[in-house]
Amino acid sequence: QSVLTQPPSVSGAPGQRVTISCTGSSSNIGAGYDVHWYQQLPGTAPKLLIYGNSNRPSGVPDRFSGSKSGTSASLAITGLQAEDEADYYCQSYDSSLSGSDVFGTGTKVTVL
Amino acid sequence: QVQLQESGPGLVKPSQTLSLTCTVSGGSISSGSYYWSWIRQPAGKGLEWIGRIYTSGSTNYNPSLKSRVTISVDTSKNQFSLKLSSVTAADTAVYYCARVSYYDSSGYAFDIWGQGTMVTVSS
Repeated sequence: QSVLTQPPSVSGAPGQRVTISCTGSSSNIGAGYDVHWYQQLPGTAPKLLIYGNSNRPSGVPDRFSGSKSGTSASLAITGLQAEDEADYYCQSYDSSLSGSDVFGTGTKVTVL
Repeated sequence: QVQLQESGPGLVKPSQTLSLTCTVSGGSISSGSYYWSWIRQPAGKGLEWIGRIYTSGSTNYNPSLKSRVTISVDTSKNQFSLKLSSVTAADTAVYYCARVSYYDSSGYAFDIWGQGTMVTVSS
């Protein structure tokens, strides 16, 4: 059972903007631990998309952006494209679970 | 560039021990500010962190799996390994190994992943 909650699914038409929320608690996101985001295309391993709440690794389009406030974080995709259809996971650290890394429940993004 | 590759049996019998190895290529497992992790994903479900190991040998495990998990490192072979004992069908999943990197002021993130290996627990 994950301690980071995401909506199961979000959808949007090509070119639109979608956002994915990641809700945690005072022992993870709210404690100041960074949030990272991963994109998992069908049948492949996850790929780091955003690190440190809002930073993009080299090669990640600037259509992807992240933010964090309080006990939650968000991933935004602007100018949605067909190739963005994938599962997205947030991840952080939780001090109440013996120093565990924790993943969000995951969100399926569908491009209509 | 650094690549990770999981290897091990694809089928394990119930009550036995699942053993997987992750081979690191393109760089030394001992260099840099990294640690090394295992993550699993049952079919159609989300990611579950299993545990991590530092090249010093220090480990941390998911509390829900801690009693059954052992992660070890062999720096001479540039590998780290996972052992999960007393497996049941609930342990059937794709198992990933991953490198975790420290980003200045931005925490630790899983930046390189293996392709994953499917492990089925069945008699």
